[in-house]
Amino acid sequence: DAKTTQPPSMDCAEGRAANLPCNHSTISGNEYVYWYRQIHSQGPQYIIHGLKNNETNEMASLIITEDRKSSTLILPHATLRDTAVYYCIVRVASGGSNYKLTFGKGTLLTVNP
Amino acid sequence: NAGVMQNPRHLVRRRGQEARLRCSPMKGHSHVYWYRQLPEEGLKFMVYLQKENIIDESGMPKERFSAEFPKEGPSILRIQQVVRGDSAAYFCASSRTGQGETQYFGPGTRLLVL
Repeated sequence: DAKTTQPPSMDCAEGRAANLPCNHSTISGNEYVYWYRQIHSQGPQYIIHGLKNNETNEMASLIITEDRKSSTLILPHATLRDTAVYYCIVRVASGGSNYKLTFGKGTLLTVNP
Repeated sequence: NAGVMQNPRHLVRRRGQEARLRCSPMKGHSHVYWYRQLPEEGLKFMVYLQKENIIDESGMPKERFSAEFPKEGPSILRIQQVVRGDSAAYFCASSRTGQGETQYFGPGTRLLVL
């Protein structure tokens, strides 16, 4: 699976949009970008995933650049409860050991009042 | 609540005892994955199971650790003769099918070995 690079930490004001970047410059054509988050002492929570088109759900939006080498997770109106470590994971669509999710260090997002 | 369930949430064992961690997948899911998170580290894959089958246990320590997912009942991660280094959070995830399906995680079991 492609390696991902994320900033170790970010701050965001409550009510503002949080934009979390992820670089995955070695991503290949059949690899998805997944985002999970882990609120302190809880299990990872699935947020969103995409292949090449932008995606939106009730939690967030995922913007993938046209060359697919980077992406941004957007939380449109961050709340204090969004404070968590956010993980960007690249995963092959099928075949091999694509069931092994590889969690890096992620980005600690702190939402401030 | 149709989410992944794990119990117990917290488990304290003395060195040399056995630890049994249980995971009930989401309704309709027949694939289970176990991950371990050591203090201050990321989650690491341990094992992938389908009903009555171990698909991949490459991430499990060779000794003292075993996992099963019987036809009926929850998946069990068993750690025999626990040592202090086994202290960690153990997370279970499930998916509807195997390849490529989104994995949903449970709340974890925090094991403390005294």
